[in-house]
Amino acid sequence: NAGVTQTPKFQVLKTGQSMTLQCAQDMNHNSMYWYRQDPGMGLRLIYYSASEGTTDKGEVPNGYNVSRLNKREFSLRLESAAPSQTSVYFCASGRQFTSNQPQHFGDGTRLSIL
Amino acid sequence: AQSVTQLGSHVSVSEGALVLLRCNYSSSVPPYLFWYVQYPNQGLQLLLKYTTGATLVKGINGFEAEFKKSETSFHLTKPSAHMSDAAEYFCAVSSNAGGTSYGKLTFGQGTILTVHP
Repeated sequence: NAGVTQTPKFQVLKTGQSMTLQCAQDMNHNSMYWYRQDPGMGLRLIYYSASEGTTDKGEVPNGYNVSRLNKREFSLRLESAAPSQTSVYFCASGRQFTSNQPQHFGDGTRLSIL
Repeated sequence: AQSVTQLGSHVSVSEGALVLLRCNYSSSVPPYLFWYVQYPNQGLQLLLKYTTGATLVKGINGFEAEFKKSETSFHLTKPSAHMSDAAEYFCAVSSNAGGTSYGKLTFGQGTILTVHP
């Protein structure tokens, strides 16, 4: 029972490089989310997908793009990485895009940009 | 707009002592409230949630929280701390009405709980 799987777990990039973070869920969930976690700031929503075929900006979308490839997969792309994007990135999924449904989280991708 | 404030970025208790982690929220509509726990190098796991009904909610691992509308609070408690409770805890709020906050979680800054033997 894998739940939400993120790849890679760790990555080091140079400024200006591009990268795609992958996320897949096996719970047949409709909604998916990307967050970044920075010390003392909790988790902040980057982008979300309420259902297959839709994506929307969250609180901190600048410098990122997303693709909802199918119901299972939701990827996050950094086109030109900057040191300010050094963070831990979490993908999450929810059964439905409603406020009373808990979200299920992956184990994160730890990204360092030099 | 909604927001969450967790009072105390670090809380330290002795094993067997009461755990109290504070969370206050701001929301223009009735909220849904959640507590998540994060162990080192892992993702977040749901501890408990308040949606409607009973204001005292029980979660996993002996934790509980009480929704107090008049105080806009949702504090997390556990009567007796265990070494395995050491982790970071996050309070989160979502809106149960329409608007830009619907379907999305807003997290607090997190509280790191240390348990001493």
